[in-house]
Amino acid sequence: DVKVTQSSRYLVKRTGEKVFLECVQDMDHENMFWYRQDPGLGLRLIYFSYDVKMKEKGDIPEGYSVSREKKERFSLILESASTNQTSMYLCASSLPVTDTQYFGPGTRLTVL
Amino acid sequence: GIQVEQSPPDLILQEGANSTLRCNFSDSVNNLQWFHQNPWGQLINLFYIPSGTKQNGRLSATTVATERYSLLYISSSQTTDSGVYFCAVEQRYGNKLVFGAGTILRVKS
Repeated sequence: DVKVTQSSRYLVKRTGEKVFLECVQDMDHENMFWYRQDPGLGLRLIYFSYDVKMKEKGDIPEGYSVSREKKERFSLILESASTNQTSMYLCASSLPVTDTQYFGPGTRLTVL
Repeated sequence: GIQVEQSPPDLILQEGANSTLRCNFSDSVNNLQWFHQNPWGQLINLFYIPSGTKQNGRLSATTVATERYSLLYISSSQTTDSGVYFCAVEQRYGNKLVFGAGTILRVKS
């Protein structure tokens, strides 16, 4: 079974802090994705990566950056956290061809 | 960009009842998927269905690509079916999905 893990289930940070969310997958998937989920808006794509050191902006990249130094790990970085970044963050991975995405359990981030 | 609309936004069922969830999309798509998010937040893929009909136990899905909609059928609902159901579409190759807002389903015993 594919396993996608995220570093924390719950996280509380202060405004202005730098925040790192980590995602690791164990199935050698080329594609990795970061989404945020907000009530009534579904999941919105922040960034995605098709290969190591490659990244592409999704629909809402402002205020975020990513890092993919190893194939299995995709990090989401909030350079200076703000209260409007309070949300559920979900990581996913998939094979390079059109395929189902496998999701991690999510990180619920609260920025105070 | 493409718009994905799901209906109804909320649904309450008595255990054993059947239901149909709908997903409309505004442009042609390469792929369509249905996901279930359980009450603990875990998203699981239910169907990968760009066209046609598929069945998996009590669940089935139909996509009519030419008319830009998909339906998810849940028969003999159980309390474990509760959660949020998402439809997601892929417009071009590369597996970049656009999600609908979801349907919140509550099944009462």
